[in-house]
Amino acid sequence: DAGVIQSPRHEVTEMGQEVTLRCKPISGHNSLFWYRQTMMRGLELLIYFNNNVPIDDSGMPEDRFSAKMPNASFSTLKIQPSEPRDSAVYFCASSLVRSQETQYFGPGTRLLVL
Amino acid sequence: QKEVEQNSGPLSVPEGAIASLNCTYSDRGSQSFFWYRQYSGKSPELIMSIYSNGDKEDGRFTAQLNKASQYVSLLIRDSQPSDSATYLCAVRNSGAGSYQLTFGKGTKLSVIP
Repeated sequence: DAGVIQSPRHEVTEMGQEVTLRCKPISGHNSLFWYRQTMMRGLELLIYFNNNVPIDDSGMPEDRFSAKMPNASFSTLKIQPSEPRDSAVYFCASSLVRSQETQYFGPGTRLLVL
Repeated sequence: QKEVEQNSGPLSVPEGAIASLNCTYSDRGSQSFFWYRQYSGKSPELIMSIYSNGDKEDGRFTAQLNKASQYVSLLIRDSQPSDSATYLCAVRNSGAGSYQLTFGKGTKLSVIP
């Protein structure tokens, strides 16, 4: 079975540009999590969805960040406008609602904002 | 602010030795604890979970939990070079319906052949 799929794997952009990260969860999973990982702050939860509904977005750093999950097989994380401090690895993870503690991570998107 | 603390390392052990990784957490109400392994440039993968005080063994890995001391540890017996990675401790936040995990920053383990 395919795991969590993320695209792009690498993104280099200039400050002020819009960045869109994409995630396809494991088929049948109904919880989806977006994380950000940096050396300074480690792995931080940004937002998570249950059955396509955002449950907690308190980790989203500011209004420049937004996330959507229009259907069970697709989610996006958008940064507009991007800033150099947004440079990080962004992971998407999915799980079953009834066992959300067992999260399967995608390969991540390495974002560099110049 | 819920916190999970780990020694960043690096922790170096010779091949065949026991590696001991430690983690403390601030959320006294937490009931679920996890260890993830992350190879350089890769994504985290779950290797152990523990919910009750005491030890839980899975192959060469043993997780230990002491809720009174708010302390979790991971022992790796007969360490192999392939165990070289960063190990992340994760704690499920307490609170009704909360499935959020708070991660430590990880301990980098290096197993020397």
